[in-house]
Amino acid sequence: DAGVIQSPRHEVTEMGQEVTLRCKPISGHNSLFWYRQTMMRGLELLIYFNNNVPIDDSGMPEDRFSAKMPNASFSTLKIQPSEPRDSAVYFCASLYGAGAANEQFFGPGTRLTVL
Amino acid sequence: QQQVKQSPQSLIVQKGGISIINCAYENTAFDYFPWYQQFPGKGPALLIAIRPDVSEKKEGRFTISFNKSAKQFSLHIMDSQPGDSATYFCAASRPSNTGKLIFGQGTTLQVKP
Repeated sequence: DAGVIQSPRHEVTEMGQEVTLRCKPISGHNSLFWYRQTMMRGLELLIYFNNNVPIDDSGMPEDRFSAKMPNASFSTLKIQPSEPRDSAVYFCASLYGAGAANEQFFGPGTRLTVL
Repeated sequence: QQQVKQSPQSLIVQKGGISIINCAYENTAFDYFPWYQQFPGKGPALLIAIRPDVSEKKEGRFTISFNKSAKQFSLHIMDSQPGDSATYFCAASRPSNTGKLIFGQGTTLQVKP
């Protein structure tokens, strides 16, 4: 199994530009999570989906952030317009299970730098 | 009540020593407590996990100690090695079918040779 795949691995953009991060979860997994990691705030849950449906987006910082999961094998996190404070490592994770006592598998992350 | 508080923020241990990281929670509905390990440039990965019906779980050099009455749990790394140098996150979750975890702030461990 290839694991959770994220692209791009690194993204450098200028303030005001649109940024789209992509995630392919492990085949068969039914929950998908987007996290943001910074030194100051640690690992923050932004949004998660179950069976392609958004369950909780209360961690999304503001309206500039949006996420979609059009099918079971693909999700995107979009930032429009981007700001320097959005610079962070963004992780996608997936899991299979009918209960929380299941392992979340994390992707390698996308390091975003907004100049 | 949804928070998980983790300490210390950073830890330096000599090779062969014992590393101890502590976490505390408030929500008594939590019933699953995993620890994740993250190496630089990688995503976190599950290291070991415990349910509240046991007080201790050991896997190799890694042990979770769980104190339900105190609402605390800790990770002990015995005979710490330089290869254990990483960031460790504790987490907790309630019974659900979505797998949502509440993560602690993380502890950066450095094991000196």
